[in-house]
Amino acid sequence: QSVLTQPPSVSAAPGQKVTISCSGGSSNFQDYYISWYQQLPGTAPKILIYESHKRPSGIPDRFSGSKSGTSATLGISGLQTGDEADYYCGAWDHRLGAWLFGGGTKLTVL
Amino acid sequence: EVQLVESGGDLVQPGRSLRLSCAASGFTFNDYAMHWVRQAPGKGLEWVSGISWNSHTWNTGGIGYAVSVKGRFTISRDNAKNSLYLQMNSLRTEDTALYFCAKEGGDGFDHWGQGTLVTVSS
Repeated sequence: QSVLTQPPSVSAAPGQKVTISCSGGSSNFQDYYISWYQQLPGTAPKILIYESHKRPSGIPDRFSGSKSGTSATLGISGLQTGDEADYYCGAWDHRLGAWLFGGGTKLTVL
Repeated sequence: EVQLVESGGDLVQPGRSLRLSCAASGFTFNDYAMHWVRQAPGKGLEWVSGISWNSHTWNTGGIGYAVSVKGRFTISRDNAKNSLYLQMNSLRTEDTALYFCAKEGGDGFDHWGQGTLVTVSS
């Protein structure tokens, strides 16, 4: 049912910036509000971004979100080893009546 | 502080049933849609089901299901007990997963429980 596509993995050095893409194959993508989640090993997911670009309180501004056309992007700047995690994008598809998740991206901080 | 605590996970045989519960605290439970999201071992997140606080999200009485569980799983909530439930019938081996309870907020899932493990195996 998932129509959100993420790269399986990305990597970058500490202090650098990385971007993770989330692309939509559905014509509904333009209507999506994209949310992003961080899942550290062995823990529950945590929301980083909602409504494509907004940060919940307590999320540092090193994390940013954007959306344009049929793609959304999560940016993480000033990478830290503690950022090593799986990252997922998600969206509500009102025509399907279902929440969708991307397949997840594993971030490695070299 | 928002807390979501799942329970009810177990090892069950294929074809059997199981009921999961999620106890919520720290927010006005009946003001928010609630969901179940699962994660099979080593796999990604999969939305299972959601229940609105009213009927505006889904036409079917404010409840939605993933195609993979529709007709087998039933979500419900007891606002008086601040609790969310998932009745799972006709379980299959592919239902094996960690099941998370999640609160919807701001067009996303803003709080998650730690999950309860369901293993379907003979």
